[in-house]
Amino acid sequence: QLQLQESGPGLVKPSETLSLTCTVSGGSISSTTSYWGWIRQPPGKGLEWIGSIKYSGTTYYNPSLQSRVTMSVDTSKNRFSLDLSSVTAADMAVYYCARRDVSAWSRFDYWGQGSLVTVSS
Amino acid sequence: DIQMTQSPSSLSASVGDRVTITCRASQAISSYLNWFQQKPGKAPLLLIYAASTLQSGVPSRFSGSGSGTDFTLTISSLQPEDFATYYCQQSYSPPRAFGQGTKVEIK
Repeated sequence: QLQLQESGPGLVKPSETLSLTCTVSGGSISSTTSYWGWIRQPPGKGLEWIGSIKYSGTTYYNPSLQSRVTMSVDTSKNRFSLDLSSVTAADMAVYYCARRDVSAWSRFDYWGQGSLVTVSS
Repeated sequence: DIQMTQSPSSLSASVGDRVTITCRASQAISSYLNWFQQKPGKAPLLLIYAASTLQSGVPSRFSGSGSGTDFTLTISSLQPEDFATYYCQQSYSPPRAFGQGTKVEIK
């Protein structure tokens, strides 16, 4: 059973960089049929896809965030990361990591429990 | 970018009711459509993928249909544990956008 767990600071100052890590257990991040992604949800609002990365380093970013987003993968530690620079209050949200299974119509079948990030000085 | 539009944004229903939620894509996405259920404080839970395939472990009262641009999620007999917010998502091409959500409330 695949499990994903987000970790990182719960508080980030405005204009600084938000950094989160998602550790994958119960399976390999180097799976050829998996992409690893980030989705966020501001308090009381809907879901926003941020982007995804494959073990090879191939990335896809949401154009609305592309200038501020960097994703990376560490296959030796079976984890992947998100950096979001120059944060503002609009970036305050619960951040989820998830697996996209490309062998089954790109279903997003495994999710972390979410990590709340507050942006405040 | 492909936009996803859900309707209604909220609905009130009783236990045992048949509930239908629709999702429309701004361009054709074949059957690359996921449906999620989300309860407060929890991560989204995959219900349906490929527009109509039930994810393992999901009760059979949930069903999905459609292809191209128009999709439907149906709950055949609403149960107390089904009161939640439902989201559609296109997984055809990036950015893999979600609909705005449909909140199912108790009548």
